[in-house]
Amino acid sequence: QQQVRQSPQSLTVWEGGTTVLTCSYEDSTFNYFPWYQQFPGEGPALLISILSVSDKKEDGRFTTFFNKREKKLSLHIIDSQPGDSATYFCAASDTNAYKVIFGKGTHLHVLP
Amino acid sequence: NSKVIQTPRYLVKGQGQKAKMRCIPEKGHPVVFWYQQNKNNEFKFLINFQNQEVLQQIDMTEKRFSAECPSNSPCSLEIQSSEAGDSALYLCASSLPGWNERLFFGHGTKLSVL
Repeated sequence: QQQVRQSPQSLTVWEGGTTVLTCSYEDSTFNYFPWYQQFPGEGPALLISILSVSDKKEDGRFTTFFNKREKKLSLHIIDSQPGDSATYFCAASDTNAYKVIFGKGTHLHVLP
Repeated sequence: NSKVIQTPRYLVKGQGQKAKMRCIPEKGHPVVFWYQQNKNNEFKFLINFQNQEVLQQIDMTEKRFSAECPSNSPCSLEIQSSEAGDSALYLCASSLPGWNERLFFGHGTKLSVL
């Protein structure tokens, strides 16, 4: 079944702390996993992505980890900033489908 | 700033009325997606196109939804007879061809069906 599950639903961290968001999936054909960031009133924007041939990808303060055996991935944000306050969506797709399946999102609130 | 242009930003319709929204994809992007995002942030894939051809679409069994991407014109999504449950943010995204290409989203059209 093509589902992507995210946790937690909501998260509050202090400025400077590390944020960890997690995601799991069931369909073993998924091999591309993007994370999108959405601010209120805007459409989502790609934050970082990873292919299933990798287990880690880093971009500045953002790192995504992928565990193929457990069908899990995570997004780590170090030195979290109030400007990171947004909703984060884990997503997945495979080579046979153009459509991207999104999780239900995690609302992140970074307190100054 | 989003380069995918969606209009109108807000749309208010009564039940049974037609609701039409438009999308201009980013220049050079032949693939266009439509998603419905409900108040719980859940995304529902509706349809996608490559150039003017439909790639995939959900089973719109109610046949109330129609979409097209004509050449040299904006793409459009139309709900023939709006229902309260259609109230949502309708997001258009475009991308280059490829299964692992980045989606560029517009700001969305927020539809409210009264």
